[in-house]
Parts: sequence; structure tokens; C-alpha cells
Amino acid sequence: NFMLAQPHSVSESPGKTVTISCTRSSGGIDSSYVQWYQQRPGRSPTTVIFEDDQRPSGVPDRFSGSIDISSNSASLTISGLKTEDEADYYCQSSYRGHHVFGGGTKLTVL
Amino acid sequence: QVQLQESGPGLVKPSETLSLTCTVSAYSISSGYNWGWIRQPPGRGLEWIASVYHTGSAAYTPSLESRLNISVDLSKNQISLTLSSVTAADTAVYYCARIGSDFDYWGQGTLVIVSS
Repeated sequence: NFMLAQPHSVSESPGKTVTISCTRSSGGIDSSYVQWYQQRPGRSPTTVIFEDDQRPSGVPDRFSGSIDISSNSASLTISGLKTEDEADYYCQSSYRGHHVFGGGTKLTVL
Repeated sequence: QVQLQESGPGLVKPSETLSLTCTVSAYSISSGYNWGWIRQPPGRGLEWIASVYHTGSAAYTPSLESRLNISVDLSKNQISLTLSSVTAADTAVYYCARIGSDFDYWGQGTLVIVSS
């Protein structure tokens, strides 16, 4: 088993770029794909990145994902921030049919 | 468009068993995919708790495994979850979701409160 650690919160101004990290506690970050979900208040989560760096159709290219083996972490980068990007973001990965979510990061765009 | 709809009791007494159902529309569970339950306590993060294939093969989060049971009813196109011996710590919104490369379709969630 492993855990995924995320910062509790991040904030940035509209138009800027923000990066949210997701650090895997054990096992390689590259041993299974990482997904990222956006959850607005009172709504179900939606995927913004799957398989480390793939964007579902309909997700703006302002959203990008990557992994860094040296730090055993994944990152979600949002460029050209908009107020509508304000939400909670969760990373997620899997192992042997089990699934793990990070604790979530609250993004404030102010 | 695949749709998932959770249903549940809303309120459950401590020590009782919680039963939830997820009804899937516009996709036949027997065609494949993994189907899961995720919960979110008020003001907190997401927690995957169980998932099941159309074959019935299941997986559970270790911390809850002894209290959980997940199953599929192919005739009704439903996924069911039971959680026994509930406590206040089980109060949460419970979501069902389809699992492929990601959790690609989610239900709207159903709030379950454990209280006497």
C-alpha cells in the first residue's frame, strides 16, 4: 500500500500559473498511472488529467500533468488561471486493483 | 451518455448495516469495466472503499474490508454495497463510479448520516 501527499491549499492570481504536487510515499511514481480530478463545491469530481499527462476531451490545454521520478511525485499545472478553476483537486493512482486518492488541494484564485 | 444514480437510506443508526445501490444507465455492466464506491466525509477528501468487476471479482480498502461487501446484479444493471456496524465516522457522501483508465463517470452522490 502507499499514500499520496498533496499540499492542503494553494492560491494564485488570475492569469498566473500554479502547480499542485502529489508525492507517493512508497513504490515508484511511475509504477502506475496518476490521474487528477477537479471537484467544485457540491459537485461530483471530474477528470482533468489521466494516465499522468493525458487530457480528456473538453478539458482546456491550460491543464497539464507530469511525473518526476527523482522526487517520486506527480504534478498538475494550470496556466492562465481563471476564477472558474477555483476548486479542490485530487490526485489518484492504483495498485493491484486497489485505488488511492491524495488528500486533496484547495485551489484559491484571488 | 453513461449515467450512474446512487440510492440509499439517508439516515442509519449506529451499529446497523448501511445498504447502497448504484443504478447504471446507457451502459450494460455485463459489457465490462470496474465499478467502484468512493466516499467523502463532510468537508474532507475522497476515499475509495470498494470496487467490483462485472464478473463479481471484488477489491476493498484494507481498513474497511471486514465490514464491506460489494456485488453486481447484472439483471438490474446495478452495483450494491453494504457496510456493517456503522459509526458516526461512516457519515459521508457515497459516490459510485465507473473505473477505466480513470474514474470516468460518477454519480451525483448520496449523503448518509449515521446517528441515533
